[in-house]
Amino acid sequence: GAVVSQHPSWVICKSGTSVKIECRSLDFQATTMFWYRQFPKQSLMLMATSNEGSKATYEQGVEKDKFLINHASLTLSTLTVTSAHPEDSSFYICSAPRPEPGTYEQYFGPGTRLTVT
Amino acid sequence: GENVEQHPSTLSVQEGDSAVIKCTYSDSASNYFPWYKQELGKRPQLIIDIRSNVGEKKDQRIAVTLNKTAKHFSLHITETQPEDSAVYFCAAEGNTGKLIFGQGTTLQVKP
Repeated sequence: GAVVSQHPSWVICKSGTSVKIECRSLDFQATTMFWYRQFPKQSLMLMATSNEGSKATYEQGVEKDKFLINHASLTLSTLTVTSAHPEDSSFYICSAPRPEPGTYEQYFGPGTRLTVT
Repeated sequence: GENVEQHPSTLSVQEGDSAVIKCTYSDSASNYFPWYKQELGKRPQLIIDIRSNVGEKKDQRIAVTLNKTAKHFSLHITETQPEDSAVYFCAAEGNTGKLIFGQGTTLQVKP
C-alpha cells in the first residue's frame, strides 16, 4: 500500500541552528501534505498545509518564518525549523491524503523526534 | 476555529469489558471522522473511520457511531484485551482535508 516516509527519524541540534525534516510519498503523488507537531502526552496539532506549486498555509499561531515549508515536488515536502530553541523540541509528523478518488484516509509518516539542546 | 473535544482523557477497564470514548466537533462542514491508535513514539494508526452519510460502522470488536445533528461521534471497543492499551485519538476532517484531532484518551486494559 501507499507509504509515507520521513527523514530523519530523530535529530538532536544545538539551540540557534536550523533543522530540515523531509516527508516523502513513496509510491504515489501528493499535491498536498500536512505537518503536525506533537508534544509529549499531548495531541497532534496541525501546523500547516503544504501545497505543491504554491505557498504553504499555516494554522493560526504558527510562525511561518520559523517553520519553513517547501513542497519541492509531487512526492516531497520539507519542514525547516529555523533558529531552533529547546521549546521546539517535539515529535513532528507529516501526512498525505490517500490518492484514490473518493477516499478520505490520510497516510502518516513515522514521525521525526527533534531535540534542541 | 475548528475544535474537537474528546472524553475521557484516561480510561481504565478490566479485560473483557467494553470501552467507550466520545468526541464532539464544532465544524458542521466536517464529513469524515477517523479514529487512531497511537503507541509511544509511533505514527497514528487508523483503526476505524466513518463518513458523514453513515450513522454507524463496525469492524469486529470496534464500532463507531455518528450523530451529525448533535455533532457527536463515539468509539466503542468490546471484549477489551491488554493489547488494546494505548492512546486513542478521534479526529474530524472538513472540506479542506485538514484533520483536527481530539485531545486523546489513554486506555488501560487491566488483565
